[in-house]
Amino acid sequence: KNQVEQSPQSLIILEGKNCTLQCNYTVSPFSNLRWYKQDTGRGPVSLTIMTFSENTKSNGRYTATLDADTKQSSLHITASQLSDSASYICVVSLHNQGGKLIFGQGTELSVKP
Amino acid sequence: EAGVAQSPRYKIIEKRQSVAFWCNPISGHATLYWYQQILGQGPKLLIQFQNNGVVDDSQLPKDRFSAERLKGVDSTLKIQPAKLEDSAVYLCASSFQSMNTEAFFGQGTRLTVV
Repeated sequence: KNQVEQSPQSLIILEGKNCTLQCNYTVSPFSNLRWYKQDTGRGPVSLTIMTFSENTKSNGRYTATLDADTKQSSLHITASQLSDSASYICVVSLHNQGGKLIFGQGTELSVKP
Repeated sequence: EAGVAQSPRYKIIEKRQSVAFWCNPISGHATLYWYQQILGQGPKLLIQFQNNGVVDDSQLPKDRFSAERLKGVDSTLKIQPAKLEDSAVYLCASSFQSMNTEAFFGQGTRLTVV
């Protein structure tokens, strides 16, 4: 069964600290992996998208890694800001079925002053 | 570039009533998705269109939900009759094509069924 599991479910950190969110997937055939940020009351916004051959991709203070062998990905946030408080969703795209997106349940990040 | 537009932003209806949501994707995007997001969960795909054809509607409760994409542009999602468990945020997204391209999401319609 195609699944995307994220951990932790929720996380509280202090402003300025770093954090790492985890994503494990059992999706086949794999096309790409995406990380989205979803602010409360808004639609998800793409942070990174990585294909099979990419190991790491950065977007400002966000750095995503991908290990296609172990089927794991991480999202590292550096020097967190209050505006980073949001849900972070890991999404894996299938190589068939029209590129169907398989969503994780998200990690709820809260950055405190 | 204009984003994905959805309306209304909020809707409250009584159970057994009907409701419709509207989505205008980014211009030129062939693929359009409707997702249901229940509080605390990730989005669940309801239906995916490629132009005006249906690619995947395997998780659409067809006894009460229907969707169409006229002329391969705008789309409407309808629920008739609504149940309490339909309370959720309904997200529309579009992408230039279905594979390996970024999906852009609208702000969603928050539906409350009472």
